[in-house]
Amino acid sequence: TQLLEQSPQFLSIQEGENLTVYCNSSSVFSSLQWYRQEPGEGPVLLVTVVTGGEVKKLKRLTFQFGDARKDSSLHITAAQPGDTGLYLCAGADNFNKFYFGSGTKLNVKP
Amino acid sequence: GAGVSQSPRYKVAKRGQDVALRCDPISGHVSLFWYQQALGQGPEFLTYFQNEAQLDKSGLPSDRFFAERPEGSVSTLKIQRTQQEDSAVYLCASSPGVAGGNEQFFGPGTRLTVL
Repeated sequence: TQLLEQSPQFLSIQEGENLTVYCNSSSVFSSLQWYRQEPGEGPVLLVTVVTGGEVKKLKRLTFQFGDARKDSSLHITAAQPGDTGLYLCAGADNFNKFYFGSGTKLNVKP
Repeated sequence: GAGVSQSPRYKVAKRGQDVALRCDPISGHVSLFWYQQALGQGPEFLTYFQNEAQLDKSGLPSDRFFAERPEGSVSTLKIQRTQQEDSAVYLCASSPGVAGGNEQFFGPGTRLTVL
C-alpha cells in the first residue's frame, strides 16, 4: 500500500491542454517534492514545498501544498510534448525518509 | 563526473546468484539513499546512510539484502540468492544535507533482471 496516492495514473492529452495531477495522503509530511522521470533515467527534482498552503510556480507548472501538509497538486498550463514523462510526488518525514507516490504517466501528443 | 553514477546499468542474474550494485554519489554529499522501483511504480525506500552510518534500513525486503557505505562515499547494495521478485530498477540518490526535504540527486539506476 502506497502512503501517497497519485491520480490519475495515466493521462494522455493534446498539446496546449491544461492538466492537474493530485497527490493525497492521510499522513502529514514535513515537506513534499515533485519529480519528473524519463525512461531509463532517475527522477529529477522539480520543486520542494514546505509550508502548508504554499504555492510555487515554475514557468507553466504550478505546485500547491495543502493547508494540512497532507496533499499536493501539480497543474500544467498549455502542456507541450516535452512535458511527457512520469510525475512523482514524494513526502519527507522528520527523519529524512522519503515516501514516493505511484506516479502519473503523462503523454502529451503534438 | 558531476552527477550520481551507478554500475552496472543492466544486470541479468540467474535465480540464486548473488549480485552487487554500486553507487558513486556526488562528492561531499552526506546522505545516500537506495530505492527499488518496480515497473510502472514509484520508487520504494530501501535504506538510508548518513556518511558511513546506516541510519534506516527498514525498507530492505529481506535479510538477503545488505547495503554498506564503509568510507562515507561509495555505497554497495548486495542481494544474495536472488529471486525473480527482486527484478526491478535499483536507484541510488545522494543529498548534500541531512534535513528532510533536501534535494535528492538520483543516479540512472541499475536494471536487475532475475531469470
